[in-house]
Amino acid sequence: GAVVSQHPSRVICKSGTSVKIECRSLDFQATTMFWYRQFPKQSLMLMATSNEGSKATYEQGVEKDKFLINHASLTLSTLTVTSAHPEDSSFYICSASHGNTIYFGEGSWLTVV
Amino acid sequence: GDSVTQMEGPVTLSEEAFLTINCTYTATGYPSLFWYVQYPGEGLQLLLKATKADDKGSNKGFEATYRKETTSFHLEKGSVQVSDSAVYFCALCEDNDMRFGAGTRLTVKP
Repeated sequence: GAVVSQHPSRVICKSGTSVKIECRSLDFQATTMFWYRQFPKQSLMLMATSNEGSKATYEQGVEKDKFLINHASLTLSTLTVTSAHPEDSSFYICSASHGNTIYFGEGSWLTVV
Repeated sequence: GDSVTQMEGPVTLSEEAFLTINCTYTATGYPSLFWYVQYPGEGLQLLLKATKADDKGSNKGFEATYRKETTSFHLEKGSVQVSDSAVYFCALCEDNDMRFGAGTRLTVKP
């Protein structure tokens, strides 16, 4: 079946550096992908909608210059956390639709030290 | 590991019908339970949640009760509307590790 793969599953980076998280649809094309963030012990929060070939649509309160989203192809969307700070440490997860089904990536744990 | 099993769809109902979407879970401890909804073309939205046994989450006429004895968190609504047509996801979170059900597509016809 259709699979969405996210990489890396876990990453540790130093404050001030940037880190990129990839979301791939493995056997289908996804014109739209969604990026979410989960704060500790809270529910998922939609960060942005990633649209292939155009700019991402960000939710209110999400800094687009800090969380760069690139959807350069129909199978890949990337989320880059720029100039990361410890408060950016979180669980990030993507999803994509294929037909009538929505698939989630495995999620990526980011720890900023 | 933890997992969520959700009623398979699609589900098609007439307006004002009663809705139940079953959700059961397996967990090692005491997870928080959630229902999310995704409307066409939009991202996931939190619909309701419950953080401990016997808690009832409710929102927009939807309800779900955390039943530890049956490890269930079934979603119910007494009278659905066309605008409720969406995909519904049951999810659990334990130790910041989140698991989703496969989703149930609901279509409500006028």
